[in-house]
Amino acid sequence: DGGITQSPKYLFRKEGQNVTLSCEQNLNHDAMYWYRQDPGQGLRLIYYSQIVNDFQKGDIAEGYSVSREKKESFPLTVTSAQKNPTAFYLCASRTSGSDEQFFGPGTRLTVL
Amino acid sequence: GENVEQHPSTLSVQEGDSAVIKCTYSDSASNYFPWYKQELGKRPQLIIDIRSNVGEKKDQRIAVTLNKTAKHFSLHITETQPEDSAVYFCAASSTGSSNTGKLIFGQGTTLQVKP
Repeated sequence: DGGITQSPKYLFRKEGQNVTLSCEQNLNHDAMYWYRQDPGQGLRLIYYSQIVNDFQKGDIAEGYSVSREKKESFPLTVTSAQKNPTAFYLCASRTSGSDEQFFGPGTRLTVL
Repeated sequence: GENVEQHPSTLSVQEGDSAVIKCTYSDSASNYFPWYKQELGKRPQLIIDIRSNVGEKKDQRIAVTLNKTAKHFSLHITETQPEDSAVYFCAASSTGSSNTGKLIFGQGTTLQVKP
């Protein structure tokens, strides 16, 4: 799990602003995922990508966007259209030969 | 849609006792069932997983059982220790030919082990 990094650790945003969360992995994993975690709830899938230049919506994609221009990177943009963005955001990756997902340390986003 | 229900939401046990957390899933195509442990403010970490071709798996003090017919699986922790205190999540995934790796998570169980 040390091969997945997320930045920043804490992020504060004013209403109406877009922000981008970084996720980088040096594990040579093909698939990458973004999850949102709210207090008292499980992780919910926002977007995922199985290959460079391709990604799919998860269960709660509205108000979010992603890109996958490089295998190592899968940034998540939280747009102003996301009505309640305050949450803990977790990135994960997985190699195509395994089912196990490895998580990054997370970014805690707070909207002021 | 796909759904995973997890119970209980909180569990408090005395050190040395056993703890059991149960999950049920709705998608009969699910065939991979991991359990994650998450300490406060940290990332989830895989502690054990099971596939549908196996009914039980054990790793030291941790075991997982799977009942495919009833579509439920459980995490068993024996001889609990204070360092077992954390939030535990179950998840389910269908690893068929497309194998997107999409995990559906339960709501989590906060386990407190009292010394």
